[in-house]
Amino acid sequence: GAVVSQHPSRVICKSGTSVKIECRSLDFQATTMFWYRQFPKQSLMLMATSNEGSKATYEQGVEKDKFLINHASLTLSTLTVTSAHPEDSSFYICSAFDRNQPQHFGDGTRLSIL
Amino acid sequence: QKEVEQDPGPLSVPEGAIVSLNCTYSNSAFQYFMWYRQYSRKGPELLMYTYSSGNKEDGRFTAQVDKSSKYISLFIRDSQPSDSATYLCAVGGYQKVTFGTGTKLQVIP
Repeated sequence: GAVVSQHPSRVICKSGTSVKIECRSLDFQATTMFWYRQFPKQSLMLMATSNEGSKATYEQGVEKDKFLINHASLTLSTLTVTSAHPEDSSFYICSAFDRNQPQHFGDGTRLSIL
Repeated sequence: QKEVEQDPGPLSVPEGAIVSLNCTYSNSAFQYFMWYRQYSRKGPELLMYTYSSGNKEDGRFTAQVDKSSKYISLFIRDSQPSDSATYLCAVGGYQKVTFGTGTKLQVIP
């Protein structure tokens, strides 16, 4: 069964809305979670690394004020897309890292901004 | 040069065929090698991982790593229509991972 749960799976909202996406590790405590973005027919692009109890580390070119990440517990990280615009429409995927295994991914959130 | 190169396909094969999926990478420091399967509109699912050269088998799937050539492969035996998906190779460490662009596979009944 799934070890990482991501919610919601689909969001459609108006431009200017802020959208929160949750990522939960179900079977283990994840000190580190990752947020990716995937465009059609392209690979995953790492946006940020989320560490429990500390600030997230953002990849170059990713606006930290646009994509707010909170990792308040060992099983939950959230990504908030603030004041979303059509260009933010994408497939967002989280993953959780258990030190003994490679990353396990959630099922993704398809975000559509009208 | 990209860190990881993967033929995007698409690759179409008849049911029962042996499928070979490949990636090359440029950084010899990469220690871990993974294959993920991604169905449409879903997140990647970990298929296999290894950290050494050689072969690793799991059912119909065999992962092969050649560190001297910086070349990794995934073989699927007796392919099934349910194997139709995009296959992503990933290299690096468990935390810092670089993904290939994915190869779209279609197994035709």
